[in-house]
Amino acid sequence: AQSVTQPDIHITVSEGASLELRCNYSYGATPYLFWYVQSPGQGLQLLLKYFSGDTLVQGIKGFEAEFKRSQSSFNLRKPSVHWSDAAEYFCAALQNDMRFGAGTRLTVKP
Amino acid sequence: NAGVMQNPRHLVRRRGQEARLRCSPMKGHSHVYWYRQLPEEGLKFMVYLQKENIIDESGMPKERFSAEFPKEGPSILRIQQVVRGDSAAYFCASSSQGYEQFFGPGTRLTVL
Repeated sequence: AQSVTQPDIHITVSEGASLELRCNYSYGATPYLFWYVQSPGQGLQLLLKYFSGDTLVQGIKGFEAEFKRSQSSFNLRKPSVHWSDAAEYFCAALQNDMRFGAGTRLTVKP
Repeated sequence: NAGVMQNPRHLVRRRGQEARLRCSPMKGHSHVYWYRQLPEEGLKFMVYLQKENIIDESGMPKERFSAEFPKEGPSILRIQQVVRGDSAAYFCASSSQGYEQFFGPGTRLTVL
């Protein structure tokens, strides 16, 4: 069955530290891939997307993600986290419909 | 260009009442999607509509839930005879070509 998995429910990092959020997908063919961020009580904002081409994609707010076909992964990274990055992050895949991972909650320590 | 708009932002209903959630897509977008988010969970697809057509309703509960996207006006998600289990955040998204989706701020439904 098609699915998106985010293995980490909750991650805590110190401000200024690097960040990597994991995402794995299970699809027969490579879907379109997305990362969204959701602040408390808000809707989802698109950080970046991968359709094809360069496997390292740059997004907004200093985020990037790398598509690795061999690992069926699309991990989100940021070199230096800011306190304002604290939020819920969702990985999503689109083929016939959009499917979301369960989300990873990011806490940023001062 | 205004983003996706949803209203109301918060809706409180008693068990057995009807809930109507509205979504106005971004200008020029003809594809609308509805999702439900339960606390501590990701978004679950409910229904995909284009103007006057339901394209995919595989995520919609078989009873009490319906959706429409008329030729004029917003898309409506309607929940009849609400129960406590319907309490959730309902998000609408729109797209122009069925790929990148832009999300509204959501409607938080509370059933008392």
